[in-house]
Amino acid sequence: ETGVTQTPRHLVMGMTNKKSLKCEQHLGHNAMYWYKQSAKKPLELMFVYNFKEQTENNSVPSRFSPECPNSSHLFLHLHTLQPEDSALYLCASRTLAGNTGELFFGEGSRLTVL
Amino acid sequence: GQSLEQPSEVTAVEGAIVQINCTYQTSGFYGLSWYQQHDGGAPTFLSYNALDGLEETGRFSSFLSRSDSYGYLLLQELQMKDSASYFCAVSSGSGNTPLVFGKGTRLSVIA
Repeated sequence: ETGVTQTPRHLVMGMTNKKSLKCEQHLGHNAMYWYKQSAKKPLELMFVYNFKEQTENNSVPSRFSPECPNSSHLFLHLHTLQPEDSALYLCASRTLAGNTGELFFGEGSRLTVL
Repeated sequence: GQSLEQPSEVTAVEGAIVQINCTYQTSGFYGLSWYQQHDGGAPTFLSYNALDGLEETGRFSSFLSRSDSYGYLLLQELQMKDSASYFCAVSSGSGNTPLVFGKGTRLSVIA
């Protein structure tokens, strides 16, 4: 139990569907991240939120739309995805005090796009 | 660009010692982290090195050489539960600079 909860854990969607992934942390952290994890590839940073403000969009296609309503919640809205978007989507959080290289990850949402 | 290199797979015997290497090329460097991820689980933080030398935490140790852009994770007294993927990650700056991860090393511990 890392203190970061992601839902749903598994999601299957068609290319025309609209769905959302949710991330919630109760660690009092003020930075939150979305990472994509595909087989045989490094974790790819997608979005960074710092005090609810998006500070980085790592050239992510517009079919992925993040939302951070407060410092404890992060969403990833999905629409008109492609089969190559099938992956594990990981949410992470950290405190901005100091930099110990420590991120707290959720267990991820396994997405399959048909 | 930024890149990290680590072996894709390592196999070791229960009770033995294994070393997982990581070399990096980044535009800036602040520190090197290591994460463990079991199948179906979340990556979990193991260690962080900002300065040269060895950091020891129980059975796990992590080493950094900034001049060589190189680090390693050392796992001692291997146990079956240590079978997992291990990722090195670089912080290229202070504050909220996101981590850049390697592709991971799949460690299999055999009896």
